[in-house]
Amino acid sequence: DQQVKQNSPSLSVQEGRISILNCDYTNSMFDYFLWYKKYPAEGPTFLISISSIKDKNEDGRFTVFLNKSAKHLSLHIVPSQPGDSAVYFCAATDNAGNMLTFGGGTRLMVKP
Amino acid sequence: DAGVIQSPRHEVTEMGQEVTLRCKPISGHNSLFWYRQTMMRGLELLIYFNNNVPIDDSGMPEDRFSAKMPNASFSTLKIQPSEPRDSAVYFCASSPPRGTTRFLETQYFGPGTRLLVL
Repeated sequence: DQQVKQNSPSLSVQEGRISILNCDYTNSMFDYFLWYKKYPAEGPTFLISISSIKDKNEDGRFTVFLNKSAKHLSLHIVPSQPGDSAVYFCAATDNAGNMLTFGGGTRLMVKP
Repeated sequence: DAGVIQSPRHEVTEMGQEVTLRCKPISGHNSLFWYRQTMMRGLELLIYFNNNVPIDDSGMPEDRFSAKMPNASFSTLKIQPSEPRDSAVYFCASSPPRGTTRFLETQYFGPGTRLLVL
């Protein structure tokens, strides 16, 4: 049973518009969440993270929102750029903080 | 810094053959992770080493899979015998010693090995 789920396998957005990628989790012990970005033929790279003590974390065009009661987080990219086209993975960890549980990924395509 | 190095980048083999994937972590990193990416299951953690010692191998699919880390600069993931359902991209990642803050964002991934078992 997947503890971290990304229900949208793909998303297509026009350049300049907002991209919203969603992630749901089931394990209430998760307290730290991360987003990774992956280009073809490359490994994932860290993008942004959020602790469960916060509900929002912003870094430039990227903002992650956390709704603990709904066990839901989302990544907003504004404005979206063609270079943002990649697969985005949501990940979570518990208090031990040793291992990450990843979602299945969402392929984002930003059209010029 | 060369980053995490994985070899081979691509491997095509026949069912029943032994497959060995290799990883060289970033120098100075003391944690190493093996992941598998498939369409069905996304990115799964297979095994995690800390200071060359396997800490958690609960993600290893079955006895056909084994991993070793004989020293701080080298790790292998072996599949024997291989099966078509093992076809996936296998990633190795490393991270530096854990400090007073969360270190997970500093988990650096290699480019992956794309394995195809016919």
